[in-house]
Amino acid sequence: DTGVSQNPRHKITKRGQNVTFRCDPISEHNRLYWYRQTLGQGPEFLTYFQNEAQLEKSRLLSDRFSAERPKGSFSTLEIQRTEQGDSAMYLCASSEDRGRETQYFGPGTRLLVL
Amino acid sequence: DQQVKQNSPSLSVQEGRISILNCDYTNSMFDYFLWYKKYPAEGPTFLISISSIKDKNEDGRFTVFLNKSAKHLSLHIVPSQPGDSAVYFCAASAPAGGTSYGKLTFGQGTILTVHP
Repeated sequence: DTGVSQNPRHKITKRGQNVTFRCDPISEHNRLYWYRQTLGQGPEFLTYFQNEAQLEKSRLLSDRFSAERPKGSFSTLEIQRTEQGDSAMYLCASSEDRGRETQYFGPGTRLLVL
Repeated sequence: DQQVKQNSPSLSVQEGRISILNCDYTNSMFDYFLWYKKYPAEGPTFLISISSIKDKNEDGRFTVFLNKSAKHLSLHIVPSQPGDSAVYFCAASAPAGGTSYGKLTFGQGTILTVHP
């Protein structure tokens, strides 16, 4: 399977704890996106990487959120001092670096903050 | 502000009939539109896309229509099958450049149920 993979698929944590999610994009894809989806809403853009460079961040990405893509391959999204409002599905997508390429999504990581 | 809107939260259709899902947008900078299908506990799956230079794109049972003057697009599924039952999202993006790098702006989704 050469699709986008995300780990873990589910995460339950207590408020105040830190969590880290991982995304492995499709191997030849240079572009990587993180989105967040809450119940009844469509995915909302969080941040974008072109290779290892983080080129765009949404205002949704507070100081408690940080994302990295150190070698231009996999990416991690860390949430520090989690709050109940962080409970959501975190989606990763990747695409080729040629014009208007389709973004392909991973299965997501569902986070529940108690 | 909701730049992409899907005003119908749900749609119920009989198997074999046509399903029509609608989407409106407000940002005139959007020039590329996509439809995704999503099953519970899975990520969105790409269905079909259309560039603003076209007004129709067809792929098998799926056809997307774009009306730029009305800032409206629709997805037609013919014939509808029970396996099409899922949440459908429309998404839009603006040209890369400046601060836009192809991020997608999604609608709220429409739950399609196809009855046997």
